[in-house]
Amino acid sequence: DQQVKQNSPSLSVQEGRISILNCDYTNSMFDYFLWYKKYPAEGPTFLISISSIKDKNEDGRFTVFLNKSAKHLSLHIVPSQPGDSAVYFCAASATGTASKLTFGTGTRLQVTL
Amino acid sequence: GAVVSQHPSRVICKSGTSVKIECRSLDFQATTMFWYRQFPKQSLMLMATSNEGSKATYEQGVEKDKFLINHASLTLSTLTVTSAHPEDSSFYICSARGGADGTDTQYFGPGTRLTVL
Repeated sequence: DQQVKQNSPSLSVQEGRISILNCDYTNSMFDYFLWYKKYPAEGPTFLISISSIKDKNEDGRFTVFLNKSAKHLSLHIVPSQPGDSAVYFCAASATGTASKLTFGTGTRLQVTL
Repeated sequence: GAVVSQHPSRVICKSGTSVKIECRSLDFQATTMFWYRQFPKQSLMLMATSNEGSKATYEQGVEKDKFLINHASLTLSTLTVTSAHPEDSSFYICSARGGADGTDTQYFGPGTRLTVL
C-alpha cells in the first residue's frame, strides 16, 4: 500500500526553466510534508517542508504547494540549475506517529544545459 | 546546523559476521533516531525508530534480533547487523529528529554501504 506516490519516475528540464515535481498521498492523517534531494550513495538532504495549516512555503528557488483537498503537493524549482540534477523524494508524517516518515518512490530530475 | 554523521561509510564483511554502524548527531541532541535501508532504485524503507534510553520500535517484517539498535545517548545510535548474509547487502541510512527548528524534520546521515560476501 503506497501511501505516498510520485507518479513520474523521471523529469528532464532545461537550465533556467521551472521544474515541477509532483506528489500524491492517500492518508488523510498526514499533516506534515517534506521534500528531500538525494544523490547516489548519499543520504537525503532536506530541502523544504510544509505543514498542513499552510498551502505554500517558499525558500529561495524552492516553493512547495499543498492542496489538501486533492491530497497533492508539488515542488517548484525556479530557475533550475544543473546542480539540481538528483532524485527528489517527497515524504509525509502524521501527528502522533513519532514523526515516522513515509517516503514516495522518488523522481529523478535531470537539468540539461 | 543539523548535521548527522555515519560511520563507516562503506563496509565489506564475510557472511556470518556482525557489523556495527554508528549514527551521530553532531550539533544537536536527537531525541529520536531512525534507521532506513534502501535497495537500488527504490525508496527508503523505514526499519526502526529508536528513542534515547528505550527499546527500539521495529517496523513489520524487520527482525529485531538480526538488526540490533542501541540509542545510548542523545547524540548516538548504533545499528548492528548480526550474522550478516549476502541478502543483507544494502545501503543503510540513519536520520535524527530534534534539531533546533523544533519541527518533525528528519536530518539524514550520508549512509553506509554494506556488502556481505
